[in-house]
Amino acid sequence: DQQVKQNSPSLSVQEGRISILNCDYTNSMFDYFLWYKKYPAEGPTFLISISSIKDKNEDGRFTVFLNKSAKHLSLHIVPSQPGDSAVYFCAASSITSGTYKYIFGTGTRLKVLA
Amino acid sequence: EADIYQTPRYLVIGTGKKITLECSQTMGHDKMYWYQQDPGMELHLIHYSYGVNSTEKGDLSSESTVSRIRTEHFPLTLESARPSHTSQYLCASSEPGLAGLTDTQYFGPGTRLTVL
Repeated sequence: DQQVKQNSPSLSVQEGRISILNCDYTNSMFDYFLWYKKYPAEGPTFLISISSIKDKNEDGRFTVFLNKSAKHLSLHIVPSQPGDSAVYFCAASSITSGTYKYIFGTGTRLKVLA
Repeated sequence: EADIYQTPRYLVIGTGKKITLECSQTMGHDKMYWYQQDPGMELHLIHYSYGVNSTEKGDLSSESTVSRIRTEHFPLTLESARPSHTSQYLCASSEPGLAGLTDTQYFGPGTRLTVL
């Protein structure tokens, strides 16, 4: 049973528009969430994180929203650029319980069209 | 940002060979991790370490073994490689911050292993 789900395997967005990537989780003990960007044959690159004590975190063009009651988080990229084309993974952990292991989703492939 | 290195980047070997995938980080992070990822799939944790002389198996069963003799070094070994071991292997390290409320894992570039 997958505890972290990214139900959209792919997404295409026009350059300059907003990209919204979604992630759902089932474990209410998760309290820290990360988003990574990954190119083929490379390691994931950390983008942005959010703790469960917040519902929004912003860093430049990237904003992550957390809805704890719905067990849902989303990554917004505004404006989208062709260089954003990659696979995006969300990951969740329960770090306040002393567990520093992350559960990853299956990823969403974002394609930004020029 | 952590500096974390993996070698080799690509490896093609024959069945039955013993291999060691290297992972090193220069940030002094206590926590290090090994993940396995197949194309189109999620990352699966296969080993982790919370410090020197500490190693644990991850959520995905793996025939590989790891060691942590130095903080900066976390090698992964396959005693006898098989075609089923063909995958991408990713190493990561992390250090909790902000009173234990944050913990970001930084990844190396990965090793793409192909066993013929």
